[in-house]
Amino acid sequence: QKEVEQNSGPLSVPEGAIASLNCTYSDRVSQSFFWYRQYSGKSPELIMSIYSNGDKEDGRFTAQLNKASQYVSLLIRDSQPSDSATYLCAVNVEGSQGNLIFGKGTKLSVKP
Amino acid sequence: SAVISQKPSRDICQRGTSLTIQCQVDSQVTMMFWYRQQPGQSLTLIATANQGSEATYESGFVIDKFPISRPNLTFSTLTVSNMSPEDSSIYLCSVGAANQPQHFGDGTRLSIL
Repeated sequence: QKEVEQNSGPLSVPEGAIASLNCTYSDRVSQSFFWYRQYSGKSPELIMSIYSNGDKEDGRFTAQLNKASQYVSLLIRDSQPSDSATYLCAVNVEGSQGNLIFGKGTKLSVKP
Repeated sequence: SAVISQKPSRDICQRGTSLTIQCQVDSQVTMMFWYRQQPGQSLTLIATANQGSEATYESGFVIDKFPISRPNLTFSTLTVSNMSPEDSSIYLCSVGAANQPQHFGDGTRLSIL
């Protein structure tokens, strides 16, 4: 059973701080990793993709991947109240036609 | 990325009835996916819809309950059949490809009385 694990939170950080969201996955052969943001009552929105070990930065967001440890994380710098949402980690199912397995999500709350 | 339109956006249905959800994409795509998101939960894949072939269902989901059509490369439907309160969920369609991210429609919020 392929699994993606996330701490459900809630994770509460003050405005301006760094929020760190973590995800582990069980399928060692997975090659593609994604972070989605989901506001309450809305559908998931892609914010980061990462395919190689190391860091990938996009604005205030940094995704980190360590395939040996089967670990992927998302850092949000200078957190804003508008970042308050649930963050979903998704991992591809290798050999499929694009299937993803989603974690249960971490609820982030940024306090002004 | 593709623009994905889903309708209806929400509905309230009676137990035992069926509802068909439509998903329209503004460009041709090979793979379309249908997910369910139960209250407070993450996304669970129902099935993968490939044009010209039968949908591929995930464990726990069957065609009789969730029939899917994929008549062309821009359109798919999901029917939720013989609904019960346990089917109250958000249903989402998405498009994607192998090793690529998926992009989602706005979802259909379904409540069963």
